[in-house]
Amino acid sequence: GAGVSQSPSNKVTEKGKDVELRCDPISGHTALYWYRQSLGQGLEFLIYFQGNSAPDKSGLPSDRFSAERTGGSVSTLTIQRTQQEDSAVYLCASSSTGVLETQYFGPGTRLLVL
Amino acid sequence: AQKVTQAQTEISVVEKEDVTLDCVYETRDTTYYLFWYKQPPSGELVFLIRRNSFDEQNEISGRYSWNFQKSTSSFNFTITASQVVDSAVYFCALSERNTGGFKTIFGAGTRLFVKA
Repeated sequence: GAGVSQSPSNKVTEKGKDVELRCDPISGHTALYWYRQSLGQGLEFLIYFQGNSAPDKSGLPSDRFSAERTGGSVSTLTIQRTQQEDSAVYLCASSSTGVLETQYFGPGTRLLVL
Repeated sequence: AQKVTQAQTEISVVEKEDVTLDCVYETRDTTYYLFWYKQPPSGELVFLIRRNSFDEQNEISGRYSWNFQKSTSSFNFTITASQVVDSAVYFCALSERNTGGFKTIFGAGTRLFVKA
């Protein structure tokens, strides 16, 4: 079956522009997660969804970051007024029934803010 | 507070050597899960193993084995007879519930180089 997919795979934008990153989880997976991986660094947990609900948004780096999930499937991570420090790989993962389950990762979106 | 420490930043071995990647974690919860993921040069994270806090049995899968010891809060990963294809960054992770719902913390990763 299809794995987690993310689009775009690469995004170059200018400082100050808004960007939208998309994640398609594995079909039937109810939990979805967003992470950020800066160059040569580990993974930074941003937010997770159980269904369409995000119980804890405290991992988002600033109020320029927002995420939503509709229909219990696709999720979008939006970064407004991008800054150069937002440059990173944004990874999405999904898991079957919910928290603490194994997470399966997508290939990531590589974001470069000039 | 949650914390995952992978003290080894980089390890270099010669093919066929055994290598152990260390992972030490901190948590106040009694129910949690530990994971190991592999990130090859292609970049996509690959799940290797998941362990819950109540199961301290060691596990072996082919050339991979994991040693979970709650007494020392460690979940170490050993590759036996390493191969060049094992070259990757390996991440240890901890998942537990917190007041906001749940959180997963990843270690900084250990980059393994296996030379032919």
